[in-house]
Amino acid sequence: GENVEQHPSTLSVQEGDSAVIKCTYSDSASNYFPWYKQELGKGPQLIIDIRSNVGEKKDQRIAVTLNKTAKHFSLHITETQPEDSAVYFCAASNRKSYQHTFGKGTKLSVIP
Amino acid sequence: GAGVSQSPSNKVTEKGKDVELRCDPISGHTALYWYRQSLGQGLEFLIYFQGNSAPDKSGLPSDRFSAERTGGSVSTLTIQRTQQEDSAVYLCASSTTGNTEAFFGQGTRLTVV
Repeated sequence: GENVEQHPSTLSVQEGDSAVIKCTYSDSASNYFPWYKQELGKGPQLIIDIRSNVGEKKDQRIAVTLNKTAKHFSLHITETQPEDSAVYFCAASNRKSYQHTFGKGTKLSVIP
Repeated sequence: GAGVSQSPSNKVTEKGKDVELRCDPISGHTALYWYRQSLGQGLEFLIYFQGNSAPDKSGLPSDRFSAERTGGSVSTLTIQRTQQEDSAVYLCASSTTGNTEAFFGQGTRLTVV
């Protein structure tokens, strides 16, 4: 089955700096790569996703890049703000298995 | 409803008792997932329902865990003879099909004492 590795497990940045979280996956059939943000006491919420037919996607301060050859994808947050502090999960899925396989999460702390 | 609804939000039970956790997915979503999240940990897959297909139960940790989905809508996760290691937040999610954005509920925090 699919295996998703996520690094780092914790990340502290100064407000205004950039944050990068990286994930690798094992199943070459995976073609959908969402990123979820989980705030304390809430369920995860999608912030951005990418499909395997594109290499990069941006939404304001958030971007995701995908390297299918190397089987890794990354989340980039620029101009970080205190409200970006949360746990971020990457995931991978495909048309064969459908269910998301999640990374173990990254706790991001943005220091004012 | 507007989102995925889970009940109860909190459940405290005595070791050895059975519990039922309920998930009401977004109307029209054919895919439904259950995940377990222990304190400060990642999301552990439990079970996946897709339409009328046989569910993927490969993540259920033991035969004390079972789930059903009636009429392709509401789902119930049952844990029999609860143990302290079952204490966790149980998250339900739904999506239009598999392989698309999953919408999560707020979770049920289960505490076994």
